[in-house]
Amino acid sequence: DTGVSQNPRHKITKRGQNVTFRCDPISEHNRLYWYRQTLGQGPEFLTYFQNEAQLEKSRLLSDRFSAERPKGSFSTLEIQRTEQGDSAMYLCASSLAETEQYFGPGTRLTVT
Amino acid sequence: AQSVAQPEDQVNVAEGNPLTVKCTYSVSGNPYLFWYVQYPNRGLQFLLKYITGDNLVKGSYGFEAEFNKSQTSFHLKKPSALVSDSALYFCAVRAVSSGGSYIPTFGRGTSLIVHP
Repeated sequence: DTGVSQNPRHKITKRGQNVTFRCDPISEHNRLYWYRQTLGQGPEFLTYFQNEAQLEKSRLLSDRFSAERPKGSFSTLEIQRTEQGDSAMYLCASSLAETEQYFGPGTRLTVT
Repeated sequence: AQSVAQPEDQVNVAEGNPLTVKCTYSVSGNPYLFWYVQYPNRGLQFLLKYITGDNLVKGSYGFEAEFNKSQTSFHLKKPSALVSDSALYFCAVRAVSSGGSYIPTFGRGTSLIVHP
C-alpha cells in the first residue's frame, strides 16, 4: 500500500458528460502528478503541482481538462464534455522533490 | 529530444533463471533513472533508482539495475526469477520539460512472464 488513494476506482460516463476524479497524496509529499495510461503504453504526463501551485501542464492536455490542488493537499482532475478518446486509466502520484514517485491505484474511465 | 526506450514488449524467462529487462535513455545532463513495476489492477510501484554513485543499484524484491553511461542504458536484472515477478515493468527518466520543470518520462513498458 503506497498511501496514495484515488476515487472513484471506476467511472463509466456518457459522452458529453463531465467527470471529476480525486487524489489524496501521501501527506508529507509536496509534489503531485497526474498521468494518463492507455493499454500498451506507459504513463503519459498530464500535469503536476508543487504544493498548491500548478507548475506544468502537458501540451497534449486539452482545455477540457482542468486540475486543482487547493491548500496543497488533495487534488481533483476534471474532464469536461468527455469524449470516447478520454477513456483511459488516470493515475495520480506524489513525491518529495524530484525523487521516486508513489502511485495510487488509478481511476479507470470509460466513456460510452 | 529526451526519451526512454524499452526495446522489448515482452520478456519470457523460466523460473530460477536470471532475467534482464532492457532500458535505454536519451537526456541532456546527468540522468535520474527509475524502474517501476505494475501488477494487474494495481498502481505502479517504485523498484529502484539511480541518481549518482555506484553504477549497480539494488532495489526491492531482489531486483538490481546497472547504469551504463557510455551505452546510455539502465537494464533491470534479477539473478533468479520467480513466477510472482510476472508483471509489467516501466523504466523512467527524469527529463526537463519545455516549461523547465523536471518531469518523469516513462517507457512503454515490458511485460515480464516467468514460466514455472
